[in-house]
Amino acid sequence: GESVGLHLPTLSVQEGDNSIINCAYSNSASDYFIWYKQESGKGPQFIIDIRSNMDKRQGQRVTVLLNKTVKHLSLQIAATQPGDSAVYFCAENLSGGSYIPTFGRGTSLIVHP
Amino acid sequence: DTEVTQTPKHLVMGMTNKKSLKCEQHMGHRAMYWYKQKAKKPPELMFVYSYEKLSINESVPSRFSPECPNSSLLNLHLHALQPEDSALYLCASSQAGGGGNQPQHFGDGTRLSIL
Repeated sequence: GESVGLHLPTLSVQEGDNSIINCAYSNSASDYFIWYKQESGKGPQFIIDIRSNMDKRQGQRVTVLLNKTVKHLSLQIAATQPGDSAVYFCAENLSGGSYIPTFGRGTSLIVHP
Repeated sequence: DTEVTQTPKHLVMGMTNKKSLKCEQHMGHRAMYWYKQKAKKPPELMFVYSYEKLSINESVPSRFSPECPNSSLLNLHLHALQPEDSALYLCASSQAGGGGNQPQHFGDGTRLSIL
């Protein structure tokens, strides 16, 4: 399950399960959203993005859902694998100017074999 | 392997030292960034260069001095750092323009420890 506290929220799942990582964004004017994966000892890696004119976008084993009404973004990972264990950050951006994304606080995904 | 290369991977320095972090990309990106990341926290933006010109300085102390010698290179010069400056320093790049709808590409960072 998911636990949220003063530190990094953590989601623990079993290998093969589907994972859902949630993110609440702050700026209702944001119109571009990105999910990054950061493995231990590495920099953030782009996973998938979505623009505000869409509410769903699919990649390989990943799906991003955007609900602009409640300013909520989610990342779904199908058939989660141990290699998916990492910290996942959402980022929001306001287009029309410089690309200065605002990162969410991150969620640690732990996949148990 | 990441397309953004950062050196060194690890750096230990005293508070009186001067050192530099380096970042290189060959993707033709014209926007480059420095971030600071503490453990279990999201990256915090420090500087943004757009077309080799400093466009954003997020009120970073002057002991951090960025430099963009050309469109492929980004440096961060360090002098008289404090122990609280110990962190992972990340470089990123993205296509400039496009209305900001482009993802950033990150390097794997330099792990900096201040003694």
